Amino acid sequence: DGGITQSPKYLFRKEGQNVTLSCEQNLNHDAMYWYRQDPGQGLRLIYYSQIVNDFQKGDIAEGYSVSREKKESFPLTVTSAQKNPTAFYLCASSISSGRWADTQYFGPGTRLTVL
Amino acid sequence: LAKTTQPISMDSYEGQEVNITCSHNNIATNDYITWYQQFPSQGPRFIIQGYKTKVTNEVASLFIPADRKSSTLSLPRVSLSDTAVYYCLVGLYNFNKFYFGSGTKLNVKP
Repeated sequence: DGGITQSPKYLFRKEGQNVTLSCEQNLNHDAMYWYRQDPGQGLRLIYYSQIVNDFQKGDIAEGYSVSREKKESFPLTVTSAQKNPTAFYLCASSISSGRWADTQYFGPGTRLTVL
Repeated sequence: LAKTTQPISMDSYEGQEVNITCSHNNIATNDYITWYQQFPSQGPRFIIQGYKTKVTNEVASLFIPADRKSSTLSLPRVSLSDTAVYYCLVGLYNFNKFYFGSGTKLNVKP
């Protein structure tokens, strides 16, 4: 089956700890994205990558880091510098690296809770 | 990226047609209009995309007037399973500012 997988589905973290969220796609898409969603709110872009070994900050990149060493993988690290990391995190990918209006395919999400 | 304005919520009954309008006064010449659907605790799913006039697929229609300053997503004969949040996005190439907004929460009643 082709698609995007995110793991884990639920993640608990103590304050001051870094944590890495996994995102893998087998759709052969060039572009990948990370979004954050807070309760009752829309999605906000954290980082995006249009091609391997390149990524750009979105609207709320502070306290987050990413890497794109392989086309199919785009892990997100939530660092201790992120002041309010409890949220629902969504990873997405799209076929083209030049048009954000291309259909984005989303993963099932990871719900992160800071204890 | 053109900012969009949608109603916060809408109610409907099963079997009715639902129309959700999105305003985008600052739409640029190259911008496309895209709608996504999101169920609770899931990622959004693409519904439909258009540039002008009317687009129809197996789940929805999208109506765009000539001035393109607004668009209307039409869901024919909704069912309970259409209860979700619907997002309107406008843009094409501008990666610098993504704006999903808060969307429209559609509640379909039996």
